[in-house]
Amino acid sequence: ETGVTQTPRHLVMGMTNKKSLKCEQHLGHNAMYWYKQSAKKPLELMFVYNFKEQTENNSVPSRFSPECPNSSHLFLHLHTLQPEDSALYLCASSRVQSYEQYFGPGTRLTVT
Amino acid sequence: GIQVEQSPPDLILQEGANSTLRCNFSDSVNNLQWFHQNPWGQLINLFYIPSGTKQNGRLSATTVATERYSLLYISSSQTTDSGVYFCAVVESGGSNYKLTFGKGTLLTVNP
Repeated sequence: ETGVTQTPRHLVMGMTNKKSLKCEQHLGHNAMYWYKQSAKKPLELMFVYNFKEQTENNSVPSRFSPECPNSSHLFLHLHTLQPEDSALYLCASSRVQSYEQYFGPGTRLTVT
Repeated sequence: GIQVEQSPPDLILQEGANSTLRCNFSDSVNNLQWFHQNPWGQLINLFYIPSGTKQNGRLSATTVATERYSLLYISSSQTTDSGVYFCAVVESGGSNYKLTFGKGTLLTVNP
């Protein structure tokens, strides 16, 4: 499945580092999402972009900063993270007119 | 917000057995999706099924929206079916894009 790609697949970073996660969708969709999956917790929606405009910020700390330069690309900029931010970060996309979402393979982030 | 409950939380099967996974939700939904998360974390779309019945090979799903539940059937299970199965819904009348996930069913299929 290559409709939604994410890089890197694995990332280890210190608490003072700055890094970015990248997501790209090849499905012609116009809505993109970031989700967080922590150990033993349900997937949680973080951000939503429709037509490049952010329409949802689910009370995410400011150390996570999303960017959506166009309908095909989504970034999550990370800075001064905490160890509890270690998780699997999943990107998804959909057509705005459709509720069906498709997910990328995820970035497994470890904060040391 | 809407609550999504999945059962059972864990299920162990012998290869070739059949199984039924259940998803209950607390309110009306516009969308219901079933996903399989493989050991590498990838969420694979199984069904988009806000109502009715669908089949895809050995898998089938039924959603009874009026009674607020969905069932995922796996027949003749294989070891590659192992992983976590998630149900996720979009609540009617809410944000039309916010998927709320259940906690999942961890399926282990032994050879």
